[in-house]
Amino acid sequence: GESVGLHLPTLSVQEGDNSIINCAYSNSASDYFIWYKQESGKGPQFIIDIRSNMDKRQGQRVTVLLNKTVKHLSLQIAATQPGDSAVYFCAENRRTSYGKLTFGQGTILTVHP
Amino acid sequence: SAVISQKPSRDICQRGTSLTIQCQVDSQVTMMFWYRQQPGQSLTLIATANQGSEATYESGFVIDKFPISRPNLTFSTLTVSNMSPEDSSIYLCSVVSYNEQFFGPGTRLTVL
Repeated sequence: GESVGLHLPTLSVQEGDNSIINCAYSNSASDYFIWYKQESGKGPQFIIDIRSNMDKRQGQRVTVLLNKTVKHLSLQIAATQPGDSAVYFCAENRRTSYGKLTFGQGTILTVHP
Repeated sequence: SAVISQKPSRDICQRGTSLTIQCQVDSQVTMMFWYRQQPGQSLTLIATANQGSEATYESGFVIDKFPISRPNLTFSTLTVSNMSPEDSSIYLCSVVSYNEQFFGPGTRLTVL
């Protein structure tokens, strides 16, 4: 069946570095992608989203890139801070099943001071 | 944004018993969902909680095991029935509000 997966399960960076978290998806019908941050003991928190008619979207310190040709999604975090340490999930959705997200496996980001 | 609260936040239960989890949203929402997050894993959609009608379950989840109620646009319950240790997970309520999807803090369930 369709799946959304991540290339790297863990990522360790130094404070101030830029972080890149990758995600691959297999369903070419996906048209909406979201990145979530989950801190320990909490539910996922929305970071940024992107629709399939775009290839890049920027937020505050975060950028999401979408490459539909190779079905690849990435999250870039600029000037990573210790507070960015969390598990990051990509999720995909289709317009015909709004709200029904398929999540990737997650990447643990650890930021060292 | 929508603020979601869940009760209980955590519980430890004996096998064979049932637990009902409550989800309360601070505003009326059309779409409400229940997800499961097994230990160390990602989230999986259990079902869509439909107001005024039966929930819509995803493949691998059935109503007898996970009955869901949605009496109004701000509240839903998920029951985990006849629990076994394999049901130990975090159960999360999720809503769509203003084109953004929010998640509750989750209910951490441990079944002994």
